[in-house]
Amino acid sequence: AQSVSQHNHHVILSEAASLELGCNYSYGGTVNLFWYVQYPGQHLQLLLKYFSGDPLVKGIKGFEAEFIKSKFSFNLRKPSVQWSDTAEYFCAVNGREGGFKTIFGAGTRLFVKA
Amino acid sequence: DVKVTQSSRYLVKRTGEKVFLECVQDMDHENMFWYRQDPGLGLRLIYFSYDVKMKEKGDIPEGYSVSREKKERFSLILESASTNQTSMYLCASSFQPANIQYFGAGTRLSVL
Repeated sequence: AQSVSQHNHHVILSEAASLELGCNYSYGGTVNLFWYVQYPGQHLQLLLKYFSGDPLVKGIKGFEAEFIKSKFSFNLRKPSVQWSDTAEYFCAVNGREGGFKTIFGAGTRLFVKA
Repeated sequence: DVKVTQSSRYLVKRTGEKVFLECVQDMDHENMFWYRQDPGLGLRLIYFSYDVKMKEKGDIPEGYSVSREKKERFSLILESASTNQTSMYLCASSFQPANIQYFGAGTRLSVL
């Protein structure tokens, strides 16, 4: 079955700490990968995406993610978090084999202490 | 900027009522989606539509129906609301199914 697993449901960090949010997926064939973010009181929006090419992708606000095909992973990273990064982060995947139906992970709530 | 507008931010309904959630997008996107978002469960797809008058069931269609009479509008219908349908409902649209989805602000529905 197609699924996305996010390793942590809640993460608390101090400002300037490094961030890595884990994401593993189960989805056959070629995949497209996404991280979406929902800031408090705001719409869910795209943070970054991977379709093909360089497996290290960069997104908005200094975030990056690395697609490791052999590990079925797409972990999100940021070297130094800010208080404004407090949000909920969702990993998502879709692909031709699933009819391009997007599967979302359960989400990780990040709280950054000032 | 793509705009996806959901008609209500908050709704309170009674068990057994028929509920309509409306969603409009302004970017001429072919594809539209309805999700429900519950804590610890992420987003779960209820229905999606890839063209006018076309619809496909998602993962949790039971108790819901949809309507897409015009390209820009996608409605979610709860025929007889139940308390277990209390949730946040998100509408999204995309140019292609594989591509980026653009989300509305969400409708928080409480069924009493």
